[in-house]
Amino acid sequence: EAQVTQNPRYLITVTGKKLTVTCSQNMNHEYMSWYRQDPGLGLRQIYYSMNVEVTDKGDVPEGYKVSRKEKRNFPLILESPSPNQTSLYFCASGKGNEQYFGPGTRLTVT
Amino acid sequence: ILNVEQSPQSLHVQEGDSTNFTCSFPSSNFYALHWYRWETAKSPEALFVMTLNGDEKKKGRISATLNTKEGYSYLYIKGSQPEDSATYLCAFGGDYKLSFGAGTTVTVRA
Repeated sequence: EAQVTQNPRYLITVTGKKLTVTCSQNMNHEYMSWYRQDPGLGLRQIYYSMNVEVTDKGDVPEGYKVSRKEKRNFPLILESPSPNQTSLYFCASGKGNEQYFGPGTRLTVT
Repeated sequence: ILNVEQSPQSLHVQEGDSTNFTCSFPSSNFYALHWYRWETAKSPEALFVMTLNGDEKKKGRISATLNTKEGYSYLYIKGSQPEDSATYLCAFGGDYKLSFGAGTTVTVRA
């Protein structure tokens, strides 16, 4: 089954404790992206990747890092999480004009 | 960050009634306009990708129109059913960078 998976789905952590949210797709897509969703603001793009070893900033990259060492994986790294990064995070992959979203990761930073 | 606005923010529809709502986007440098359907606790799912002025797309009882010159798109739901209850997101941009609106949440009352 074609899908985008994210782990973990839910995470509660404390300020400053480094964490990684994994994202994996099995559709051989070159494009992958991370978004955060906050009430009233819609989805905002954090980082995207057009291919292995090619990444670029989206609209809200501060406080996040990404890497794309393999085509199928695009982890999101929070080196020192802060409470304002509490949000619902979506990973997406795509080809051309179509994007497929993962199930979301709800992150709470206390 | 590109300004993509959706209105209304929410609406309630009686089962069987038809409804429509708007996505506004910058009319310059148009590339593509996307519509997504997002049900609670699920991932956003692609409905339409529209690229040409005057485009009309249809999927079942849901259809969309596009006016790139004036910078708006309408999404129509004909004969609303309870399963149409969801948040409908529009997104403006190219293959790699998308700017999302905050969404229109539709609740269909039986």
